[in-house]
Amino acid sequence: EVQLVETGGGLVQPGRSLKLSCVASGFTFNNYWMSWTRQAPGKGLEWVASITNSGGSTYYPDSVKGRFTISRDNAQNTLYLQMNSLRSEDTATYYCTRWSKGWFAYWGQGTLVTVSS
Amino acid sequence: DVVLTQTPVAQPVTLGDQASISCRSSQSLVHSNGNTYLEWYLQKPGQSPQLLIYKVSNRFSGVPDRFIGSGSGSDFTLKISRVEPEDLGVYYCFQATHDPYTFGAGTKLELK
Repeated sequence: EVQLVETGGGLVQPGRSLKLSCVASGFTFNNYWMSWTRQAPGKGLEWVASITNSGGSTYYPDSVKGRFTISRDNAQNTLYLQMNSLRSEDTATYYCTRWSKGWFAYWGQGTLVTVSS
Repeated sequence: DVVLTQTPVAQPVTLGDQASISCRSSQSLVHSNGNTYLEWYLQKPGQSPQLLIYKVSNRFSGVPDRFIGSGSGSDFTLKISRVEPEDLGVYYCFQATHDPYTFGAGTKLELK
C-alpha cells in the first residue's frame, strides 16, 4: 500500500523559513517523480513543485520560484520542501504527492503551514 | 497560465441520479506528444484529494465504472451515473499539458 506521510508544518512568521518532509513507503521511491501541492484554508488546489526521480531536475510555478526548493533523498525514501521568505499567502495545507508525469496518483494526508505574526 | 473553468459551482443531486460536471480550458490541452493531460480529482469532506480519472477518460485503479470522463481539445466532462453517498464532495479538474499546471476552482456535489 502506497503511503505518504508529511511532517514539518506549523506556525511561522512572515519572512522566515520552514522545511517540510514526506516519508514514502509501499513503492520503489526512486522510480517515481514526486510533487508538492497545496490548498489554502477553504480554497482550491495549487501545484507547488515537482522533482524527477533522480532529483536532477525540478519545476515550480512562478508563485514560489526562487523561494521554495524541492529535493529528495532516495536512500531515505524522503521528499522535502524548503520554503524561504514565507508570506501570508503561503498559508495552506501542503500535500506530498506521487507524480506520474501527468497526474497526482497518490496523496498524503497533508501538513498545515500557517504564516502569521 | 491555462485557466480551467468548472461549471456548475455546486451540483445538488438526489442519490441514484446522474450528475455532470463541465471543465473548459482557456486553450487546447493537447500536448505536443499527442496526449491530453486532463485529470479529475475528488476531495471528500475532511480528506485529501484522490485521483479519479487521468488523460481525459482513464479510470484510476479502484475507481467505479459509474465515473466516466470524456471530451477533447478544451472541453471536458465528468459524468457520475447513479450518485452514491460516498461520491459527495468537491470535484476538481486539473491540466498538466501546459506549465504551470493548474486546477479548476472546484464543483461541490451535494445532496438536494
